[in-house]
This record gives sequence, structure tokens and C-alpha cells, in this order.
Amino acid sequence: AQKITQTQPGMFVQEKEAVTLDCTYDTSDQSYGLFWYKQPSSGEMIFLIYQGSYDEQNATEGRYSLNFQKARKSANLVISASQLGDSAMYFCAMREEAGGSYIPTFGRGTSLIVHP
Amino acid sequence: EAGVAQSPRYKIIEKRQSVAFWCNPISGHATLYWYQQILGQGPKLLIQFQNNGVVDDSQLPKDRFSAERLKGVDSTLKIQPAKLEDSAVYLCASSIRRTRNTGELFFGEGSRLTVL
Repeated sequence: AQKITQTQPGMFVQEKEAVTLDCTYDTSDQSYGLFWYKQPSSGEMIFLIYQGSYDEQNATEGRYSLNFQKARKSANLVISASQLGDSAMYFCAMREEAGGSYIPTFGRGTSLIVHP
Repeated sequence: EAGVAQSPRYKIIEKRQSVAFWCNPISGHATLYWYQQILGQGPKLLIQFQNNGVVDDSQLPKDRFSAERLKGVDSTLKIQPAKLEDSAVYLCASSIRRTRNTGELFFGEGSRLTVL
């Protein structure tokens, strides 16, 4: 079974508008972490935001916020005021703990295109 | 602080040949990961090291892929013999685990392999 599901292969948004990228996850662990990474066309993966399973507040980092709904097992990324430079692939990832180590798993990604 | 270094950036080989990729993680990062990213897909974990011990190599095709991390620092990923389906970007990442640390991954620029 997929541990991370990103159902939107591609999204389009107008510059300066907000966009939500969906992510659902599957785990039986009580302690886990959720991440979003950005991968521009240059190829390097860039960490954006993190949400711990025990964090009560939704994480925010500048224009990025994470809409964490634990009961639904979803961790959607919200980008406010989109910029042309936000055009990239976005990956949701989950960190589970196994044998004292973190094991990170990635989704298939969502391609975001921001147009003027 | 220097980032994760990988080499070579690009490699083209014929099927059945061998290839090796090198990774130098961020200083002090005990955990090192090798991911395979096929075009249009999310990164797939091949192997994870904690210092110089293997944490997870369940998705490493051990009949042709091997990896080592000597002295708990640099790592080498080898493919021998290569197949057409090995064409991908090989991403190296490192992380540090401390109390109250999220455990996010820091990625290198990747090594793009084309097998003809």
C-alpha cells in the first residue's frame, strides 16, 4: 500500500493567488513526521516545512503552511501569494521511526505551474 | 556550512557496464541515504546508513547494486551490471537526529545516469 498519496499530478495557479497541494498518508505509528520538499527544474530537493504528529498547531514557514488533519491522515501544503519562482515539483514525505532510526518515504509529487 | 556533495553529476554508459557514484554528506550528519528518482516519479529509498551501519536496504536490488559507507562519512553506490531501467537520478541525502530535531533531509544535486 502507498504510504504517501499525492493525487494531483499537476496544478496551475495564477501569480499572487493561493494554492493547495494535497497529501494523504498511511501509518499505524503514533509518532511520525510529515515534510514537504520542493524540486525545481535544476533537480535539487529543498526542504520547505515540517509537521510532527504530536504538534497541535499547524506548521507555518513564511508563505508556506501545512493544513494538518490527523483524523483524516492528510497534510496539505498551502502556498499563499504564489510567485513565478514557485513553479516546481512538490513532494510530500513521511518519516516513520523504525528500530530507533527515521525512515523517510516520498510521494509521487505534484507539478505546480504558476502563470502570470 | 558545505552542503551534500555528489559526483559525477552526469554519466552515460552502455547496458551491462558498471558505474559508481560518490557522496560526501554534511559534516556531522550521521545518517546518509541513497534515493533513486526515475523521471516523473518520487524518490525511492535504496539504502539508508546510520554511521557506517545499514539501517534499511530492503529496496536495493542486491544482485546489481551495492553501497558502502566507510568510516561513517563518504559513501559510494555502485551498479554492476547496469540495465536500461537503471536510468534515473541518484540522490544522496543526509540528516542529523537530535532531540527536538525534525530530521529533515539535506540533498545533494544528484547524479543523472543514462543507460543506453
